[in-house]
Amino acid sequence: GAVVSQHPSRVICKSGTSVKIECRSLDFQATTMFWYRQFPKQSLMLMATSNEGSKATYEQGVEKDKFLINHASLTLSTLTVTSAHPEDSSFYICSARGGTGGYGYTFGSGTRLTVV
Amino acid sequence: AQSVTQPDIHITVSEGASLELRCNYSYGATPYLFWYVQSPGQGLQLLLKYFSGDTLVQGIKGFEAEFKRSQSSFNLRKPSVHWSDAAEYFCAVGEPGGYQKVTFGTGTKLQVIP
Repeated sequence: GAVVSQHPSRVICKSGTSVKIECRSLDFQATTMFWYRQFPKQSLMLMATSNEGSKATYEQGVEKDKFLINHASLTLSTLTVTSAHPEDSSFYICSARGGTGGYGYTFGSGTRLTVV
Repeated sequence: AQSVTQPDIHITVSEGASLELRCNYSYGATPYLFWYVQSPGQGLQLLLKYFSGDTLVQGIKGFEAEFKRSQSSFNLRKPSVHWSDAAEYFCAVGEPGGYQKVTFGTGTKLQVIP
């Protein structure tokens, strides 16, 4: 079945540093990947759509210079949180379009980012 | 713009009892509809999806959902709940074209008591 691997699962970083989160489709090619952010006890909010070989499309209100997305291959998309601040602490989840059933997306297991 | 409403923030049911989680959507045409489950600190697992055809959709773990166009609803049901079903459930709507973005509801937290 379709598997999306997200790494790391947890990361703690100091304020002002950058953190990179990887999202890999292990057994299928994903031309499109999505990055979501989930605040505690809230729903998932789409941050950006990542397309292989082109610039990401960001949702309104998401700072593209702060959340850098790179989708350099058909199996890997990365989200880099630059100059992280405590308010960036959140649960970040990626999904990849493709795999089992095509539309319906396979989700990664998420990354818990804590900025101290 | 598409939107999803899950009116119940928190639901408690007894183990073995039946379950229905409500979901209403807003979309200009017939959207693609999904139910996902999330255990604490985990990612999302797809329970079932509706694209077209039979309006009663069977999913994994004994769940089913019924698409009712007239009510713009896609409620999730299970005849007998197990303790392991305790989790957060998200209804989602996807746009059939374009980037096929998916919009999530606010979620319903299910608690199962013995």
